[in-house]
Amino acid sequence: KAGVTQTPRYLIKTRGQQVTLSCSPISGHRSVSWYQQTPGQGLQFLFEYFSETQRNKGNFPGRFSGRQFSNSRSEMNVSTLELGDSALYLCASSPGTARNYGYTFGSGTRLTVV
Amino acid sequence: GQNIDQPTEMTATEGAIVQINCTYQTSGFNGLFWYQQHAGEAPTFLSYNVLDGLEEKGRFSSFLSRSKGYSYLLLKELQMKDSASYLCAVMTGRDDKIIFGKGTRLHILP
Repeated sequence: KAGVTQTPRYLIKTRGQQVTLSCSPISGHRSVSWYQQTPGQGLQFLFEYFSETQRNKGNFPGRFSGRQFSNSRSEMNVSTLELGDSALYLCASSPGTARNYGYTFGSGTRLTVV
Repeated sequence: GQNIDQPTEMTATEGAIVQINCTYQTSGFNGLFWYQQHAGEAPTFLSYNVLDGLEEKGRFSSFLSRSKGYSYLLLKELQMKDSASYLCAVMTGRDDKIIFGKGTRLHILP
């Protein structure tokens, strides 16, 4: 059974640009969550999608957005990149609820903004 | 507000026992997770507690006290491969949002 796949693994962008990250959940998983991980703040929740609808949202500015497709694959977009957006972006999937078994995380996309 | 606290770093010796504490204050509680994350890798699920008490899984055990907003992860017979960050996370709210603490970096000395 394939795990959670995130592409690309590494990305370097310039301030002001935009970026799109992709996540393919485990087959059969309908919930996809996104987290930003930095050394100082740890894992911070961005948003969660379930059946193409945003179910939960964290406290990030509107520059951060996402969507989920009918095959449960998800993308997140960051517009007008800032230096502080440099981080590891992790995607996690679960069947519908994370109760009992939690999330399965992908290996992440390391975004560097210069 | 939502707050999850755990020590930033801990050091222990190979073969010993270490307890990593986590306290939380959240609006609503639907369960508590522990994850392990090795440097440069994805977090991996260790345990889930929703009822008070101790859950044991091999060398790892996790304890929960809902009335105290407190959990701990107990690692026995420490091995060098246990050197990692340990993340405490709380599931909260009507839609089971999961909020993570900043993690505890555990160093194992030979």
